[in-house]
Amino acid sequence: EPEVTQTPSHQVTQMGQEVILRCVPISNHLYFYWYRQILGQKVEFLVSFYNNEISEKSEIFDDQFSVERPDGSNFTLKIRSTKLEDSAMYFCASSFQGRGEQFFGPGTRLTVL
Amino acid sequence: AQTVTQSQPEMSVQEAETVTLSCTYDTSESDYYLFWYKQPPSRQMILVIRQEAYKQQNATENRFSVNFQKAAKSFSLKISDSQLGDAAMYFCAYRRSGNQFYFGTGTSLTVIP
Repeated sequence: EPEVTQTPSHQVTQMGQEVILRCVPISNHLYFYWYRQILGQKVEFLVSFYNNEISEKSEIFDDQFSVERPDGSNFTLKIRSTKLEDSAMYFCASSFQGRGEQFFGPGTRLTVL
Repeated sequence: AQTVTQSQPEMSVQEAETVTLSCTYDTSESDYYLFWYKQPPSRQMILVIRQEAYKQQNATENRFSVNFQKAAKSFSLKISDSQLGDAAMYFCAYRRSGNQFYFGTGTSLTVIP
C-alpha cells in the first residue's frame, strides 16, 4: 500500500541554522500539507500546497518558512533560521482531492539546540 | 476559531471490551467534516473513520463507530471488542470547507490483555 515517507526521522540543528525537511507524498496525490506538533501539544496546520503554489497557510507559517516541490516526487519544508521554539514533530500529508482523506507520513522530529 | 477538545489524555480498556473516546469541537460552520485518526507508537497517523456533518447517520467502520451529536458539537469514537492492536494515540480532527485540519490533543489508549 502506498505511503507518505519523510526524511530524516530526526534532525538536530543549532539555533539560527537552516533546515530542510523532506517528504515524498503518494505518487498520484495532488494536494500536500505540512503540520507540526510541539511535544505535549496538539497537531497544528502549517500550510497546504496545490498546483505548485500555497493554497492555505496558518499564522504559524511566517516568512521563516517556505515550501517547495522541486521535482515530481518531493515536497520540502524549509525553515530559514531555526529558533528553539521550532523544536517539534513535523508531519507531511498528501491527498488526492482537496477535500479527501489526508494520508500522513511518520514525521520528522526536529530538535533545535 | 475552530477548536477541537479531547478531554481524556489517557484511557485504558480490557481486551474484548468496549471503550468510548470523547471529542468536542467548536465551530460556527454548518458544512464540515470530522475525523478520527489513530497513531500507533512510532508509526504514522492513519484514518479510522470520518463523518460528514450533513449526514445524520453515524459512521461505522467494522468495530469502530461514532456518536455524532451535531447540536452538542460532540463526536465520540466507540471501539468495540478492543484488540491489542488498537493501542495507540487517537486524534479527533475537524475540517471545514478548506483543506486544513484542526486536531485535538489526542487520547492515548492502552489495551490491557
